[in-house]
Amino acid sequence: DVKVTQSSRYLVKRTGEKVFLECVQDMDHENMFWYRQDPGLGLRLIYFSYDVKMKEKGDIPEGYSVSREKKERFSLILESASTNQTSMYLCASRTGGRAEAFFGQGTRLTVV
Amino acid sequence: GENVEQHPSTLSVQEGDSAVIKCTYSDSASNYFPWYKQELGKRPQLIIDIRSNVGEKKDQRIAVTLNKTAKHFSLHITETQPEDSAVYFCAASKGRGNTPLVFGKGTRLSVIA
Repeated sequence: DVKVTQSSRYLVKRTGEKVFLECVQDMDHENMFWYRQDPGLGLRLIYFSYDVKMKEKGDIPEGYSVSREKKERFSLILESASTNQTSMYLCASRTGGRAEAFFGQGTRLTVV
Repeated sequence: GENVEQHPSTLSVQEGDSAVIKCTYSDSASNYFPWYKQELGKRPQLIIDIRSNVGEKKDQRIAVTLNKTAKHFSLHITETQPEDSAVYFCAASKGRGNTPLVFGKGTRLSVIA
């Protein structure tokens, strides 16, 4: 079974805090993604990575950064959390452009 | 970049009826079109996908059709059941390994028993 695991299911953070969301996959996938899911807006791509230490901006990268030091791990960083970053965050991984993407269980982040 | 539009945003059907969800995409270079189902509180999971070299694919009660000329693709669910109730997302991507999936905004399907 492919496993994509996110470190937290629920997080509550204060405005201005630095927040780390961690994602680990066990299928040796080259490509990893961070999406944000909001009602009525679907899944919007924040950042993705196609190799260790490589990263590409998605559609909504402002306020976020990422780190990929190892192939299996992809971290999303909120440099200074704000209330408009309250959302569900989904990590995904896949092998190639025409392959299935596997999702983590999601992290529901609330910024107060 | 790619833009995927999905309609309708909500859909209610009687159990046993069919449901159809439609998506359009903007980038003619896209050649992979998956559909994901997300049940309440769960992660999205692939239910069916289609590649641009075929026009239709079927898996039991689920089928997907693709019209590359018009740049649209559709999900068809026949004989709907209450367990089909979920949010469905369409997506598109190009064939290159490092291209991400671009998702539609989702359709909330409710199957009424």
